[in-house]
This record gives sequence, structure tokens and C-alpha cells, in this order.
Amino acid sequence: GENVEQHPSTLSVQEGDSAVIKCTYSDSASNYFPWYKQELGKGPQLIIDIRSNVGEKKDQRIAVTLNKTAKHFSLHITETQPEDSAVYFCAATVSGSARQLTFGSGTQLTVLP
Amino acid sequence: EAQVTQNPRYLITVTGKKLTVTCSQNMNHEYMSWYRQDPGLGLRQIYYSMNVEVTDKGDVPEGYKVSRKEKRNFPLILESPSPNQTSLYFCASSPRTGTGDINYGYTFGSGTRLTVV
Repeated sequence: GENVEQHPSTLSVQEGDSAVIKCTYSDSASNYFPWYKQELGKGPQLIIDIRSNVGEKKDQRIAVTLNKTAKHFSLHITETQPEDSAVYFCAATVSGSARQLTFGSGTQLTVLP
Repeated sequence: EAQVTQNPRYLITVTGKKLTVTCSQNMNHEYMSWYRQDPGLGLRQIYYSMNVEVTDKGDVPEGYKVSRKEKRNFPLILESPSPNQTSLYFCASSPRTGTGDINYGYTFGSGTRLTVV
């Protein structure tokens, strides 16, 4: 089955700096890669996703890049703000097959004021 | 308000005492799923349901049961809880796509923190 590894487990950045979280996956058939943000005391929420037919996707201050050859994908947050502090999860699956999502282990991002 | 509601939010119980964590969604979603979240292990799927009366095992189903008698409800049952089931549990739901596949933009509940002593 799919295995998703996520690094780092914790990340602290100064407000205004950029943050990068990286994930690798094992199943070359995986073609859908979502990112979830979990704020304290809440359930995870989808913030951005990317499909294997594109290499990069942006939404305001967040972007995701995908390298299918190397089987890794990354979340980039620019101009970080205190409200970006949360746990971030990457995930992977084969879309269109009713396969379940496989999540990474999570990254605790802390944005220091 | 569209939401997934889990109850209770916090639960402390003793080993072997049967318990049920309820999950209800008001969005008419076909797909529902249970996850447990443990430090360093991320979200691991326990069971999922593609529709009423259709359930299947996830990655860590041992010690858990589920049922899906109605579309809106998907309770998680621990027949004989053990300390290794101490965890943070999340229920999630989502609609099926037009082709019948899962829409991965899940709506998660707020979580149930379970402690088994």
C-alpha cells in the first residue's frame, strides 16, 4: 500500500518568513495530493490540493509543488502570519479508484511574532 | 450550518467498558470515515463507509466496530476498550463525485479525545 513520509515534524519561523513542508510517497500510481490544516481543537481542513498532471499550484500565500519522478511534493507558505500556526498534514491517493487517503505524520508549524 | 458533529468531545473510561462515539452529519454525504490521530503517526483510518449499509476496514480496524444504518450517522463502537486505544478520534464525511468516486475535500468533526485507564 501507499506510504507517505512528512518532514519536518516541527517547524518554527519568524512572522513574515517562508515555511516549507515536504512529503514523499511510495506508490507511483498516486495521482492526487491534498494538504490539510488542523488548528488547535479542531478537525483538519483541506487548504490546497494538486493532481499529477500539474507541477505547481498556487492560492494566495500558499503553493504546492509536485515532482512525480522523485515522488515528492511540498507545501510552501510565504509571508507567514501567526494564524498560519497549526498542524499541517499531507496525503496521497489514487483518485478515481475509491482508494482511501494515506496521510503523512503531520508538521507542527509555529509562526513567531 | 453544514457540519459533522461528534459526541462526546472528551471521554475517560476504564478498560473493558463498552463505549460508543457518535458521529452525525447534516450534509447528506454518502461517504463517512473514522480516523485516529496519535503523535508522530498522523491520521490513520479505522473504518469507512461508502453509503448506507456499506462499511469497510481501514488501516487500523482491530478493536473497533462501526455501523451505517442511516445516511447521517456513523457511530464508532469500542466493545472492550484497552489503554492502547487512548487517542484523538475524528469522524469525516464527504459527498461522492459525479462518477461515484470519493470527494477528498472531507469535512471533519471537532474530535473526541478518549482516554482508557
